[in-house]
Amino acid sequence: AQSVTQPDIHITVSEGASLELRCNYSYGATPYLFWYVQSPGQGLQLLLKYFSGDTLVQGIKGFEAEFKRSQSSFNLRKPSVHWSDAAEYFCAVVPAPSGNTGKLIFGQGTTLQVKP
Amino acid sequence: ETGVTQTPRHLVMGMTNKKSLKCEQHLGHNAMYWYKQSAKKPLELMFVYNFKEQTENNSVPSRFSPECPNSSHLFLHLHTLQPEDSALYLCASSQDPTSGQETQYFGPGTRLLVL
Repeated sequence: AQSVTQPDIHITVSEGASLELRCNYSYGATPYLFWYVQSPGQGLQLLLKYFSGDTLVQGIKGFEAEFKRSQSSFNLRKPSVHWSDAAEYFCAVVPAPSGNTGKLIFGQGTTLQVKP
Repeated sequence: ETGVTQTPRHLVMGMTNKKSLKCEQHLGHNAMYWYKQSAKKPLELMFVYNFKEQTENNSVPSRFSPECPNSSHLFLHLHTLQPEDSALYLCASSQDPTSGQETQYFGPGTRLLVL
């Protein structure tokens, strides 16, 4: 079945430590890939997206993600986490390439807690 | 501030009530969306409107009735809801949903509790 999986429901890291959030997808063709962040009491904000080309994508707030076709993965990384990064992170896809209606399919989300 | 506002931010209603959620976008976008965010479940797309026309209805029960009078405003009319409809309802907008590559801009959501 087509799906987006975020294996880690909850992750805790120390401030200043590196971070990697995992995302795997299961689609026949490579979908369009997105990472969104949701801070408490707020809506979702786009961190970065990937459609084609360079497999390492830079986003806002110092985040980056790497697309690996062989692993059907699009993991989000940050070299040094700040306390303000505590939030919920969502991987999402738009199944490509045609007949789009803007339907974003979301993973279940990963809650990031940052220890001082 | 993303340019997408939602009112009210919180709503408590009984199962026999009728209420409406409102979303307004100030970004000049053509498409608007309703999502449902329940605890421990992925965000679920409910409806998509593109140029005021509904282009996606993700098998949503008829007790949820969307309305899009223009590209800037989107409503979700609620009637005879069930307790399991309690959730955060998020509105979003984008310029052109047909490309699939568009960034969607989200409002802060309406936290709905059905008693």
